[in-house]
Amino acid sequence: DTGVSQNPRHKITKRGQNVTFRCDPISEHNRLYWYRQTLGQGPEFLTYFQNEAQLEKSRLLSDRFSAERPKGSFSTLEIQRTEQGDSAMYLCASSLSADTGELFFGEGSRLTVL
Amino acid sequence: KQEVTQIPAALSVPEGENLVLNCSFTDSAIYNLQWFRQDPGKGLTSLLLIQSSQREQTSGRLNASLDKSSGRSTLYIAASQPGDSATYLCAAPGETNAGKSTFGDGTTLTVKP
Repeated sequence: DTGVSQNPRHKITKRGQNVTFRCDPISEHNRLYWYRQTLGQGPEFLTYFQNEAQLEKSRLLSDRFSAERPKGSFSTLEIQRTEQGDSAMYLCASSLSADTGELFFGEGSRLTVL
Repeated sequence: KQEVTQIPAALSVPEGENLVLNCSFTDSAIYNLQWFRQDPGKGLTSLLLIQSSQREQTSGRLNASLDKSSGRSTLYIAASQPGDSATYLCAAPGETNAGKSTFGDGTTLTVKP
């Protein structure tokens, strides 16, 4: 069990560029979640997958955001035409639906939009 | 819509003191309640999870309690140490264990040597 892995850990980009983050969940976990966290705030839910199906999306997830989990394993979160307001920590978590529901988080991917 | 509040936002205590962190939630229909620790610039580390049918969970110097009827959970830290300095967050998913968990904004704890 290697835990939840996120890459890259830190991304600096210019406004208007596209960025993509990757999350590898704990191998047997069928649920995968994306959250966004800004300084001094708790994580805010963005979206979640059960296997490859995206079951829920927050209104925070504008048209510029897209998430995929093509084979029910790793997931990607893409932000198109980044804005300064997108600067945040993007956190990925996984869980096993048939279990206690305990969430396990990765170390996060910090996005800085200049 | 679930709302989770953590009070106080910040707490500073001398080493060795016992302390209690509070978490309140508006919708008692929760599947579980989970406490996390977050160090600056890092992800969240799970500390304790209490199922909705349970009243408390213990791990080492940590004890978490849950009172669904009053919409409250507490995290008790015994004999605090400087290494306990971090932000502590609580989170609750909906009753069906599906979808999002709602997080509080955390309590930032500083334990002074």
